[in-house]
Amino acid sequence: AQKITQTQPGMFVQEKEAVTLDCTYDTSDPSYGLFWYKQPSSGEMIFLIYQGSYDQQNATEGRYSLNFQKARKSANLVISASQLGDSAMYFCAMRAFTGTASKLTFGTGTRLQVTL
Amino acid sequence: DAMVIQNPRYQVTQFGKPVTLSCSQTLNHNVMYWYQQKSSQAPKLLFHYYDKDFNNEADTPDNFQSRRPNTSFCFLDIRSPGLGDAAMYLCATSSIPGTLGNQPQHFGDGTRLSIL
Repeated sequence: AQKITQTQPGMFVQEKEAVTLDCTYDTSDPSYGLFWYKQPSSGEMIFLIYQGSYDQQNATEGRYSLNFQKARKSANLVISASQLGDSAMYFCAMRAFTGTASKLTFGTGTRLQVTL
Repeated sequence: DAMVIQNPRYQVTQFGKPVTLSCSQTLNHNVMYWYQQKSSQAPKLLFHYYDKDFNNEADTPDNFQSRRPNTSFCFLDIRSPGLGDAAMYLCATSSIPGTLGNQPQHFGDGTRLSIL
């Protein structure tokens, strides 16, 4: 069974500062993928970044980067230069490679509030 | 733009009155998913279709059914909604994981269901 743990229910960050959202996972599968999604108050889930278990380098997408520490089973999201529009719920999710349909296991999320 | 569209954005129904939520996609993805997300919780997978093959999650109540008449459309039917079914319902699509398996699930904006 897979499990995702996000221990920060809420986080505050000042505009233009960097913030790290924590995510730890547990799986017995040797091959897996880790995703981060953003969910604004309007409800849509927006894909941010992906890290594969065999990727040698940490993933980056613009202001988003993923601090992947495989031995510690952590995949923390780093948002640099925070903007007011970054205020949202952030979910970490894991997918096992089944070869067919992918099924995601989500963490409970972290609500990020960016302040002036 | 290719996308996942859910209608309606907001749905109000009466206790016990059947309701249908719809999802359409222009991504031509093989897989379509339905998630239930209650307030302040992570999305919970109800079921998914891989092409025409229906895959139900073990803990999805019988009250929830789905139809996929073609690649583009998928429907969620709630036969007798109870107060506990009030939630955001998210539709998502994905292609079959390739060698890297890094294809994310693409989500619609969700339908927020209220039960009177």
